[in-house]
Amino acid sequence: AQSVTQLGSHVSVSEGALVLLRCNYSSSVPPYLFWYVQYPNQGLQLLLKYTSAATLVKGINGFEAEFKKSETSFHLTKPSAHMSDAAEYFCAVSATNAGKSTFGDGTTLTVKP
Amino acid sequence: GAVVSQHPSWVICKSGTSVKIECRSLDFQATTMFWYRQFPKQSLMLMATSNEGSKATYEQGVEKDKFLINHASLTLSTLTVTSAHPEDSSFYICSARNRVSYEQYFGPGTRLTVT
Repeated sequence: AQSVTQLGSHVSVSEGALVLLRCNYSSSVPPYLFWYVQYPNQGLQLLLKYTSAATLVKGINGFEAEFKKSETSFHLTKPSAHMSDAAEYFCAVSATNAGKSTFGDGTTLTVKP
Repeated sequence: GAVVSQHPSWVICKSGTSVKIECRSLDFQATTMFWYRQFPKQSLMLMATSNEGSKATYEQGVEKDKFLINHASLTLSTLTVTSAHPEDSSFYICSARNRVSYEQYFGPGTRLTVT
């Protein structure tokens, strides 16, 4: 069984500030972990994924995430927020690289000018 | 890059009618496609896994007779919502798994409104 918990349904940061979106997972097998971004009325775009290689994963648009097994976490960060980063972010876990995924409830990121 | 399209992007139908949603992988072949449902301000819930040439695998609680899935080719899966009711109104998103790279790509979604 797998599950994902995203802490904080809403996160608000100022433009240029650090972005930190939290994700904790539960999995009975070594997990594959994903972060997706969704803009209004659009599908999901993959930001990055962890597939048991490097624990620090770099993705698109300056985002990165670190897999911490001891903390069962996969938090998403970006050093400096842009207005265009405002969107909904989903963390997901899967038992395989491209199998069915279990999604978290999502975090809405707001970026203030 | 890999592209997955959905058609229509937006549909309104009357209660009791059926609606078909298409999911196509435009530049790769997909032996497996996934259908998700997303309510406003909520997460994605997997409805079923669609496998080319075989029956779909439905998640617990999803009515297979109501949500008919056909994966007739390596680039096309369809979801038909039969006898639609207002509670079926939702955002339906598909994803397709590249048969070679095993990478998964999401479609842009279809918003269904049942009146």
